[in-house]
Amino acid sequence: GAGVSQSPSNKVTEKGKDVELRCDPISGHTALYWYRQSLGQGLEFLIYFQGNSAPDKSGLPSDRFSAERTGGSVSTLTIQRTQQEDSAVYLCASSSRTGKGETQYFGPGTRLLVL
Amino acid sequence: GEDVEQSLFLSVREGDSSVINCTYTDSSSTYLYWYKQEPGAGLQLLTYIFSNMDMKQDQRLTVLLNKKDKHLSLRIADTQTGDSAIYFCAESIRGSQGNLIFGKGTKLSVKP
Repeated sequence: GAGVSQSPSNKVTEKGKDVELRCDPISGHTALYWYRQSLGQGLEFLIYFQGNSAPDKSGLPSDRFSAERTGGSVSTLTIQRTQQEDSAVYLCASSSRTGKGETQYFGPGTRLLVL
Repeated sequence: GEDVEQSLFLSVREGDSSVINCTYTDSSSTYLYWYKQEPGAGLQLLTYIFSNMDMKQDQRLTVLLNKKDKHLSLRIADTQTGDSAIYFCAESIRGSQGNLIFGKGTKLSVKP
């Protein structure tokens, strides 16, 4: 009966390196969302999945960001050639389905620091 | 476009009521949410209100919605030190697939 889990909880990397962030949604939840929380910027929507499909990728900040979801469960957010401005907390949420009014349950986030 | 505004800080004394305010710009908002974030933790959904409602009460929490002014408030009665956290207002707009537009959060500090 675990909630949404994310790994790693903290990640420190050097500028230019690639990173992978993982999200395990609540079992049975078909919708999965990625958000970014930057200092002083609030939460910014990045991308959502309905099943394994991501219909709208326009929230991703640049083409260095990509995400995939396999088996309708685990999702990975990949940032290539990281920059210092990528430093933020990356939050994942899941809900039983997409749509307004569906409660989104958030994970604890991955804190990314790019040096 | 969509925008959600909140004041950044609020300080109250234990036992007092806290009122956290939020304004939004998109008149097509259908659901409005309040989330709580404690240090080092993810976001916890506190409550939400559908845009055709004026008020919703849940124990110590009261949500008021003024749709004409696009103003949402969260009142916490008998505020406790455990209520110290960042509170985020968020909207889900018509036509979206449920992704939320968040404010920057209000940091509530409760002094004993």
